[in-house]
Amino acid sequence: EVQLVQSGGGLVQPGGSLRLSCAASGFTFSSYWMSWVRQTPEKGLEWVANIKEDGSEKYYVDSVRGRFTISRDNAKNSLYLQMNSLRAEDTAVYYCARDGSGYDWGQGTLVTVSS
Amino acid sequence: EIVLTQSPGTLSLSPGERATLSCRASQSITNNYLAWYQQKPGQAPRLLIYGASSRATGIPDRFSGSGSGTDFTLTISRLEPEDFAVYYCQRYGSSKTFGQGTKVEI
Repeated sequence: EVQLVQSGGGLVQPGGSLRLSCAASGFTFSSYWMSWVRQTPEKGLEWVANIKEDGSEKYYVDSVRGRFTISRDNAKNSLYLQMNSLRAEDTAVYYCARDGSGYDWGQGTLVTVSS
Repeated sequence: EIVLTQSPGTLSLSPGERATLSCRASQSITNNYLAWYQQKPGQAPRLLIYGASSRATGIPDRFSGSGSGTDFTLTISRLEPEDFAVYYCQRYGSSKTFGQGTKVEI
């Protein structure tokens, strides 16, 4: 069974930083692209970033490029999202997801950017 | 970028009834890279359908997907109480976009 267990998240001030983590199990982590997706009531579901199996390719939505960094550690079966220069509009529930024929999702973690 | 438009926004039905949800793409979706998800309050989305018509593991056969090109449909043949939720379509692969969702309510 695919399991994606997320940690991190919380309340951070505008301009601050936060790191999200996602621990994977139940599949061969190093064989899959992985993604981060966020959700807000206003914008719905929005793909944020993804990373190739070996970490050699990374892609970002325009609104986070240059501020967020996706990374992975295949030895630890873990995915990360480093979020810097956070803005109020980054407030959302963030999900990690296994790419494939559709997504398998983590449980989500709330990130709130507010002073 | 492909835009996915779901209709209706809300579907009001009763248990036992048939639900038909639409997802229309602004451009043709190649390889039928179209997925459907179910999301209940406070939970992550759950994959129902991939490849436009293939059920994901463990999904009951009352859920079916159809369509190709720009028009796709999710059908729930007989609504069970646990099926009342929000449903999203997604174009996956190189371009990843989501529809805005259809709420199926009692």
